[in-house]
Amino acid sequence: QVQLVQSGAEVKKPGASVRVSCKASGYTFTNYGIHWVRQAPGQRPEWMGWINAGNGDTNYSQKFQGRVSMTRDTSATTAYMELTSLRSEDSAVYYCARGRRYSYLDYWGQGTLVTVSS
Amino acid sequence: ELVLTQSPGTLSLSPGDRATLSCRASQIFSSSYLAWFQHKPGQAPRLLIYAASSRAPGIPDRFSGSGSGADFTLTISRLEPEDFAIYYCQQYGSALWTFGQGTKVEVK
Repeated sequence: QVQLVQSGAEVKKPGASVRVSCKASGYTFTNYGIHWVRQAPGQRPEWMGWINAGNGDTNYSQKFQGRVSMTRDTSATTAYMELTSLRSEDSAVYYCARGRRYSYLDYWGQGTLVTVSS
Repeated sequence: ELVLTQSPGTLSLSPGDRATLSCRASQIFSSSYLAWFQHKPGQAPRLLIYAASSRAPGIPDRFSGSGSGADFTLTISRLEPEDFAIYYCQQYGSALWTFGQGTKVEVK
């Protein structure tokens, strides 16, 4: 069965960076992409971007351009999302989800809580 | 940016009731790119409906989606205890994917 298992909760100081991992199993990793979505408390989910797990191409929301980097390790069937220059407004649960660029998100990870606090 | 507005914010119903959730877009777009998710606290979101009306594998037939243009609806024909959750609509047809703010279906 398809599973996406994310890394554990993180606490970071303002200005630091965070890297969240998403380990995929149960399907051919390179046949799909991985999207990243975050949800801050009381806010609607927010799409951050996408990586094509096959060729590594990325597509980021303009809001995060310059601060986000999405990569993947095909041998480890794992995708990564790094967000730099963290501020308090980046405190949220970060999710990875399987999907192609213009297709629905059919499987999601369990979420990773990132807290940014001095 | 394509803004999705869901209504109502909260739906207070009893098991066995029918739930009707609305999702309205700020502009017309293809229904091929509209999904509905169920989300329970501490769990991964669950895809219910894609392309506005297609049920995802394993989703019970009490869940149905409809609509086109800028108005979409998720209907739960008879609420089961496990259906009390937050529901989000989401569009995936534009360069910037967006979500609605959610409808909470709670026990009356």
